[in-house]
Amino acid sequence: AQKVTQAQTEISVVEKEDVTLDCVYETRDTTYYLFWYKQPPSGELVFLIRRNSFDEQNEISGRYSWNFQKSTSSFNFTITASQVVDSAVYFCALSDLERTGNQFYFGTGTSLTVIP
Amino acid sequence: DGGITQSPKYLFRKEGQNVTLSCEQNLNHDAMYWYRQDPGQGLRLIYYSQIVNDFQKGDIAEGYSVSREKKESFPLTVTSAQKNPTAFYLCASSEGSNEAFFGQGTRLTVV
Repeated sequence: AQKVTQAQTEISVVEKEDVTLDCVYETRDTTYYLFWYKQPPSGELVFLIRRNSFDEQNEISGRYSWNFQKSTSSFNFTITASQVVDSAVYFCALSDLERTGNQFYFGTGTSLTVIP
Repeated sequence: DGGITQSPKYLFRKEGQNVTLSCEQNLNHDAMYWYRQDPGQGLRLIYYSQIVNDFQKGDIAEGYSVSREKKESFPLTVTSAQKNPTAFYLCASSEGSNEAFFGQGTRLTVV
């Protein structure tokens, strides 16, 4: 069965520190997609990144970077030089088309607080 | 602007009352979803629809109903059978294997 685990419930860091949010997933499919979303206090989920299972290259976008490792079924998210605006809940998600159509399976989220 | 519109933003329901949450998208996406979010928890799937006039139950469909008569609309009715409806409800849509786009959510409170 598909499952996403975000073991870190809450994280607090001081501004300018680096922080890594962990995501571990389970799936039996060979083709799947991984996502990260940000949920600010307003509530709307904001899409950050999409990765397919055949592309293990790490990706960097400004202060954000993602490390995808199929060997450990992990898709971790690092924020470099954190800022107060990064404070939010972050969700990791998995989807597949083979088994259930395009369903999205979300982790329970990691609440990040950046202290000024 | 293309996107997903949920209304109302806040909704209050009396005990034993049915209420309907609206979700409209102009992204021309085939798939639409309803999720429920409780404090400190992740998103749980209520219903999803991959095509007009078809929908499937998610993990927590009991006490909810949906319809998909038009591609752009996927309303969710919270029935009186849902014993604990107070939550934040999020609607989303997607196309193919691409990411889901979310609305701003509806916060439902039982009074």
